[in-house]
Amino acid sequence: EPEVTQTPSHQVTQMGQEVILRCVPISNHLYFYWYRQILGQKVEFLVSFYNNEISEKSEIFDDQFSVERPDGSNFTLKIRSTKLEDSAMYFCASSDWWAANEQFFGPGTRLTVL
Amino acid sequence: AQSVTQLDSHVSVSEGTPVLLRCNYSSSYSPSLFWYVQHPNKGLQLLLKYTSAATLVKGINGFEAEFKKSETSFHLTKPSAHMSDAAEYFCVVSSLGNQFYFGTGTSLTVIP
Repeated sequence: EPEVTQTPSHQVTQMGQEVILRCVPISNHLYFYWYRQILGQKVEFLVSFYNNEISEKSEIFDDQFSVERPDGSNFTLKIRSTKLEDSAMYFCASSDWWAANEQFFGPGTRLTVL
Repeated sequence: AQSVTQLDSHVSVSEGTPVLLRCNYSSSYSPSLFWYVQHPNKGLQLLLKYTSAATLVKGINGFEAEFKKSETSFHLTKPSAHMSDAAEYFCVVSSLGNQFYFGTGTSLTVIP
């Protein structure tokens, strides 16, 4: 069964450093998403991506964040200068259609900023 | 605006007894609603979804949920809990733009 994969499973970085979280969505999906979950809090939407551009983004997704689909398979989330409060679990998701359709989630990357 | 409230942060049941995980939603239009489950160190897996068809939705592993517009609820039930059901459960409402709004999650413990 096809699944969304994410690497690494755990990333530790120093405050101020750049990190790139990687995702491989399901191959025939066209819509891609990033969510995050700070420990003890709810899962929050960050950004959605379609046709090589951002479709929607939340207020969390500020200038420190960017997303990219560098090739036909990867979907990345970059944080330019990490802050302590960026420590969270980051989930990638993909779907094959817009609006009200199931999103398939990856296992997450746990980011720890020291 | 869309939001979801999961009324119980933790539910504990004995194996073989019914499961009820409660979810209330708020939406400014007819919503799409989902239940996802997360086992430890695994991704979020879809259990079931409601998208304006039948109000009683059947999902995987014997779970079902009923959409009640008058009560703005979408509670998840299962007649008989199994040890493998122990996990974190998330109720989710979808916006028109396909943002998912998550509840805070309910941790289900199944006692043998």
